[in-house]
Amino acid sequence: DAGITQSPRHKVTETGTPVTLRCHQTENHRYMYWYRQDPGHGLRLIHYSYGVKDTDKGEVSDGYSVSRSKTEDFLLTLESATSSQTSVYFCAIRVGQAATNYGYTFGSGTRLTVV
Amino acid sequence: QKEVEQDPGPLSVPEGAIVSLNCTYSNSAFQYFMWYRQYSRKGPELLMYTYSSGNKEDGRFTAQVDKSSKYISLFIRDSQPSDSATYLCAMSAEGPGGYQKVTFGTGTKLQVIP
Repeated sequence: DAGITQSPRHKVTETGTPVTLRCHQTENHRYMYWYRQDPGHGLRLIHYSYGVKDTDKGEVSDGYSVSRSKTEDFLLTLESATSSQTSVYFCAIRVGQAATNYGYTFGSGTRLTVV
Repeated sequence: QKEVEQDPGPLSVPEGAIVSLNCTYSNSAFQYFMWYRQYSRKGPELLMYTYSSGNKEDGRFTAQVDKSSKYISLFIRDSQPSDSATYLCAMSAEGPGGYQKVTFGTGTKLQVIP
């Protein structure tokens, strides 16, 4: 276990409310990622971070923002939740140090339902 | 058309069988190839990664990459009920700004029957 924790594990929220998901790692990895996983779409990158306060957009970033004020914490915020954001959200860290290893370690996921 | 195609299954096999899981891709820029295993209600875990064409073996698992055909495979020998999971292929290529963009397949659900 690479020491990656997501919270909360489950959340139900109402449409239009802001929601923040937290990813915490204990091993000082530089790269952190937020993915969502939906049936038929697989894992899709929302945002990623390559250092403290260094973040960039992924392929499905609309409606999401992120922050990384400390190496160990990467926060994902749904600014105004919509039903289309009902999904399972995974945080990941890149564990490979070699240039040829782009394997990730994933957290256990947050199951978010927007009603 | 998706960059990475993976048959969703489900694939049911008897215990002890050899399992073959496959992905095809269209982006010839993919350089790194990975296989993840995901148990129900868990996060994916990295099984294997390869950088080039050819085979890589790790215990009962063999990953195979054929760049000329844009085809990758994962073979599981002597399959066990504990191998029942969804298997995701993933591959990466350099994106804008030098970032390695990883694209995942949608996963194949495998069930190994005792």
